[in-house]
Amino acid sequence: DIVMTQAPLSVSVTPGESASISCRSSKSLLHSNGITYVYWYLQKPGKSPQLLIYRMSNLASGVPDRFSGSGSETDFTLKISRVEAEDVGIYYCGQLLENPRTFGGGTKLELK
Amino acid sequence: EVQLQQSGAELVRPGTSVKLSCKVSGDTITAYYMHFVKQRPGQGLEWIGRIDPEDDSTKYAEKFKNKATLTADTSSNTAYLKLSSLTSEDTATYFCTTGGSFAYWGQGTLVTVSS
Repeated sequence: DIVMTQAPLSVSVTPGESASISCRSSKSLLHSNGITYVYWYLQKPGKSPQLLIYRMSNLASGVPDRFSGSGSETDFTLKISRVEAEDVGIYYCGQLLENPRTFGGGTKLELK
Repeated sequence: EVQLQQSGAELVRPGTSVKLSCKVSGDTITAYYMHFVKQRPGQGLEWIGRIDPEDDSTKYAEKFKNKATLTADTSSNTAYLKLSSLTSEDTATYFCTTGGSFAYWGQGTLVTVSS
């Protein structure tokens, strides 16, 4: 199984500042078709996860452009610029390259 | 817009089974694979498996092969997750999710296993 490792476990950010979350996969997520199958989700308190970034760097519909994704074949970063109160929650990276689909352990974002 | 409506919370006895539903609206259930994800209280996301409603083919994570059964009913646009031989380890919220990027999620069904 592909192991997804996230860091840090939690991050505390002043509103208006930026935050970065890292994710590493135990295997390359770059498919021969050129697509990197890493995704980012946000789970707000008491809610279902919501898609933020798909295929490493594509912004999902309705997601503010303060969010961006980048990376290589095995190392990925989610950056949140100008953090707002509505960004609070747990962020998960996930790989949809192969079964079983797997997720990182999550990074909790809080406001200072 | 695709929406997933899951069945209500369940309180079940150890050793029994429970069947959860996930109804699709806004598209036909055959448009995408349907996946189910487990989240224990305060924990992360764990993929259970997926079903292709087009042909009822399934894939499961190894640890759920004797625990979970996925089915789908195209006439009602609904997918089902059956969990058997329930223990306290099965107490969790179960989500259905679909769309090529897990773009759509149900609201989750809380299953509590307790005597």
